[in-house]
Amino acid sequence: ETGVTQSPTHLIKTRGQQVTLRCSSQSGHNTVSWYQQALGQGPQFIFQYYREEENGRGNFPPRFSGLQFPNYSSELNVNALELDDSALYLCASSLKDTGWDEQYFGPGTRLTVT
Amino acid sequence: AQTVTQSQPEMSVQEAETVTLSCTYDTSESDYYLFWYKQPPSRQMILVIRQEAYKQQNATENRFSVNFQKAAKSFSLKISDSQLGDAAMYFCAYRGGGSNYKLTFGKGTLLTVNP
Repeated sequence: ETGVTQSPTHLIKTRGQQVTLRCSSQSGHNTVSWYQQALGQGPQFIFQYYREEENGRGNFPPRFSGLQFPNYSSELNVNALELDDSALYLCASSLKDTGWDEQYFGPGTRLTVT
Repeated sequence: AQTVTQSQPEMSVQEAETVTLSCTYDTSESDYYLFWYKQPPSRQMILVIRQEAYKQQNATENRFSVNFQKAAKSFSLKISDSQLGDAAMYFCAYRGGGSNYKLTFGKGTLLTVNP
């Protein structure tokens, strides 16, 4: 059973650019959640995808968007990057249909915006 | 909106001793779940223990146990026989009982274990 993986590990972008982060779910999972963790803070919920549909969104602007693919892997896209977007981005996968949704986290992508 | 508060930014404990990390939360929901996650320097968030709000019995996982006080909206984590590998950032998290499975996290407590 493979765990949750994320790519890339680190990324440096310039303000105004666009970035795509990727997440591969744990085998058998159908739900992916994305979180932003600023330095010294707890993770903040960005959005969740369930069976390729958005299933809830946190307080993030529309320039944060996502996709979930038929194999349940996922992408987080951020347009018009701002300095405050510098953070660790975590994805977590889970199996929603069981009634108990334990989320398994990936190691994260560290994004630095300069 | 639900909030989670961890009032201890840092804690330290001697190896083999016991330490308790505090967490309080605010919610108007009656059905919810509470979690403690551990985030070591490797950054990967690992689930330590979970508690369903409808269960009165406190959850226990080996050396980790919780003190869940529903009326007081308090959810503390006790680590017994602390080990060097327990050193990490610990986050308390809340999840509502609805179909939106988002986790709301506290700011974390950095635990240091001294040999």
